[in-house]
Amino acid sequence: EVQLVESGGGLVQPGGSLRLSCAASGFSFSETWFNWVRQAPGKGLEWVGRIKGKFHGEATDYAAPVKGRFTISRDHSKNTLYLQMNSLKTEDAGVYYCNVDVERRPADPESFDFWGQGTLVTVSS
Amino acid sequence: DIVMTQSPDSLAVSLGERATINCKSSQSVLYSSNNKNYLAWYQQKPGQPPKLLIYWASTRESGVPDRFSGSGSGTDFTLTISSLQAEDVAVYYCQQYYGSPLYTFGQGTKLEIK
Repeated sequence: EVQLVESGGGLVQPGGSLRLSCAASGFSFSETWFNWVRQAPGKGLEWVGRIKGKFHGEATDYAAPVKGRFTISRDHSKNTLYLQMNSLKTEDAGVYYCNVDVERRPADPESFDFWGQGTLVTVSS
Repeated sequence: DIVMTQSPDSLAVSLGERATINCKSSQSVLYSSNNKNYLAWYQQKPGQPPKLLIYWASTRESGVPDRFSGSGSGTDFTLTISSLQAEDVAVYYCQQYYGSPLYTFGQGTKLEIK
């Protein structure tokens, strides 16, 4: 059974840092590309960034609002994805989801067939 | 940047009636190399992550009821629920994978029962 379990969310002050985790199981971790998508309270979905698999050098891409502040990484020994968030702003608040495409195109997905339940990040003083 | 615009923002439909949600892309999302539209539809219920309904604009995800269908090509797409059920109350999003940024979502359409 495919499982994605996010953790690490919480309350942080503006300018602070937080590291989110996404523990994956039930599929091949090393070559699956992962994405982070966030959702501000009561708002829509926004793509944050992605990380490619081992074969593709674990290259990363980021959305413009987070580029230079957020870093995505992965630990193959733990089957875990990470999102390091620095210099947090109030507009970074929301639920952060990790997601994948397991069934059709794990590498370079066009859509996402599995999502975690999300972890809530609150940025406030 | 590719912008996805959904219409309407909200919709109220009677049980058993048809619901139609539109999604317009600022650029074509049709890949000429394989003739596929990289356009997906998701359903999100309160407190839950999005659920994939449709990919490649018109292919239903496994397990999705056949009352859900997708159509369109290039820049204009439609999600249709042929006979609305109570469990279909949700927010629906379209999503493209084509250009910059890599993935963009529509603003969402809230579907309610009339």
